[in-house]
Amino acid sequence: DVVMTQSPDSLAVSLGERATINCKSNESVLYSSNNRNYLGWIQQKPGQPPKLLISWASTRESGVPDRFSGSGSGTDFTLTISSLQAEDVAIYYCQQYYSRPYTFGQGTKLEIK
Amino acid sequence: QVQLQESGPGLVKPSETLSLTCTVSGDSISSNYWTWIRQPPGKGLEWIGYIYSSGSTSYNPSLKSRVAMSVDTSKNQFSLKLSSVTAADTAVYYCARNTYLGVWGKGTTVTVSS
Repeated sequence: DVVMTQSPDSLAVSLGERATINCKSNESVLYSSNNRNYLGWIQQKPGQPPKLLISWASTRESGVPDRFSGSGSGTDFTLTISSLQAEDVAIYYCQQYYSRPYTFGQGTKLEIK
Repeated sequence: QVQLQESGPGLVKPSETLSLTCTVSGDSISSNYWTWIRQPPGKGLEWIGYIYSSGSTSYNPSLKSRVAMSVDTSKNQFSLKLSSVTAADTAVYYCARNTYLGVWGKGTTVTVSS
């Protein structure tokens, strides 16, 4: 199985500041035939179902604020929130859908400092 | 607007079979992948598997011997069966569209207890 490791496990950031979450896979999730990274970022707010924020490592889903951005390729990926808002408090997961069984990172809990 | 809604018993006895259905609205179940994910209390997400609209499936090997998925295109629904359940199968079960989980249902809590 592809192992997804996120860092840090938890993060506290002041309102308006930048938050950065990292995700590393033990195998590349880049498909060379189409040059796409099969990596998504998922947000789960307290008491809510998960929601896809970013697919293909860097494509923001419709309606997702542009303060959220994804970057990286191969085995190393980053989710950046450029200016943290109170409503961004959540657990964030990365997920690879390149190799079955598809796997998730352990999650990063983001809080307000 | 695409919506997914899970339904099924909230309580299942140990050794019995958990059965859930996901009803899709706002989209045809045809020509797409449909995924099941679960989340034990206080824990992270686990991919259970997916079914394509044609009926082809892929399951997590950790559950493969106990899982079966099916699709009913006439009702725009797909289903999950998990047999021989134990307390470790207690979780919130989600259905989602696509392999990259573009749309999620609200989830349904299943407790395994006698």
